[in-house]
Amino acid sequence: SAVISQKPSRDICQRGTSLTIQCQVDSQVTMMFWYRQQPGQSLTLIATANQGSEATYESGFVIDKFPISRPNLTFSTLTVSNMSPEDSSIYLCSAGDYGYTFGSGTRLTVV
Amino acid sequence: GDSVTQMEGPVTLSEEAFLTINCTYTATGYPSLFWYVQYPGEGLQLLLKATKADDKGSNKGFEATYRKETTSFHLEKGSVQVSDSAVYFCALSDRSGGSNYKLTFGKGTLLTVNP
Repeated sequence: SAVISQKPSRDICQRGTSLTIQCQVDSQVTMMFWYRQQPGQSLTLIATANQGSEATYESGFVIDKFPISRPNLTFSTLTVSNMSPEDSSIYLCSAGDYGYTFGSGTRLTVV
Repeated sequence: GDSVTQMEGPVTLSEEAFLTINCTYTATGYPSLFWYVQYPGEGLQLLLKATKADDKGSNKGFEATYRKETTSFHLEKGSVQVSDSAVYFCALSDRSGGSNYKLTFGKGTLLTVNP
């Protein structure tokens, strides 16, 4: 299965700023996914990122708040824009084919 | 839509006790089923998976059997260790109906194993 490097591993950000999270996969994958895990909660899918097309967002998530790039089959970024304390969460990327591998997560704290 | 229901936690056991974490699912198609584990302060690791009915996934002493008739995928381990303390997530991936292979997660079950 694929190995994913995700960075940064954690960050503390000021409200109103933006943070870009990167995920690099060690092999080519068709689909990458971005999830949010709010404190003490389960994982919620933000969007699906396919190379060469716009990301598909789940209900409750919008491109202006969470723009995603997928420039090639091994890399994707998620930006959390205009952050507020409610955005404090763990953000995880995953790569699929099957039994999807996850990155180690980005622990974001917005102050 | 798809959903996963896990037993509510937290679960607290003594070392060497038997573990069962119940998981049932609802899916429109024929899903693949997964158990993930999240150790404190870490990301998500795939523990085991099963892709069709009666398949048994196993890893590190953990087992789960895909039961289509009861729509269940219960996680079991015969003898837990302190190092098994973590949050366990049941998940499904339903590739039918254009669902894009995304994962739907249960709420997670916190397991604490005491020495």
